[in-house]
Amino acid sequence: SQTIHQWPATLVQPVGSPLSLECTVEGTSNPNLYWYRQAAGRGLQLLFYSVGIGQISSEVPQNLSASRPQDRQFILSSKKLLLSDSGFYLCAWSAGQGTQPQHFGDGTRLSIL
Amino acid sequence: AQKVTQAQTEISVVEKEDVTLDCVYETRDTTYYLFWYKQPPSGELVFLIRRNSFDEQNEISGRYSWNFQKSTSSFNFTITASQVVDSAVYFCALSRLATGGFKTIFGAGTRLFVKA
Repeated sequence: SQTIHQWPATLVQPVGSPLSLECTVEGTSNPNLYWYRQAAGRGLQLLFYSVGIGQISSEVPQNLSASRPQDRQFILSSKKLLLSDSGFYLCAWSAGQGTQPQHFGDGTRLSIL
Repeated sequence: AQKVTQAQTEISVVEKEDVTLDCVYETRDTTYYLFWYKQPPSGELVFLIRRNSFDEQNEISGRYSWNFQKSTSSFNFTITASQVVDSAVYFCALSRLATGGFKTIFGAGTRLFVKA
């Protein structure tokens, strides 16, 4: 069966520090991968999605970047975190880009101090 | 423009009551997909159901049922005999073909509180 792992679960970082969140999927090949951010009490905002290795689409201009170095690995990064980067970050995968349901990781709660 | 509206921000019910979560969507596409997800307090989103735009048949799964009506662009979700474990945030989502592939838009979510 397919599983998705996302870590760390919780992260507290100072303003201006770098960020690296990692997500890996097991049990499937060539998944579509997504990074979302959820502000407290709000809906999901799509940040990035990827249909293949090295292929990244950005949905909103921001302080973050994403990379897909391997088929089932998706990394969310920042060189310098801002206070506004605080939130709950969710990684997801799907078998089809939009026709199939997305399956989510447990999320990373990021607090910027 | 494509949009998903979940007008109910929060709903509070007592256990065993029935509750309906509303979802209204906007799209000019003829082919699209609709989803419902549940986000319990632990945080991870769980997929509940998918419907494509050509399938208006309603669906029942245990205490859950979904009413898809293209005439009113609605895809409502009803929980019958609610239980405390149903307490969660529920998201409705629309997926449609856009430049670069299908894009999924989530509603803002409805937080459901079920009291014992």
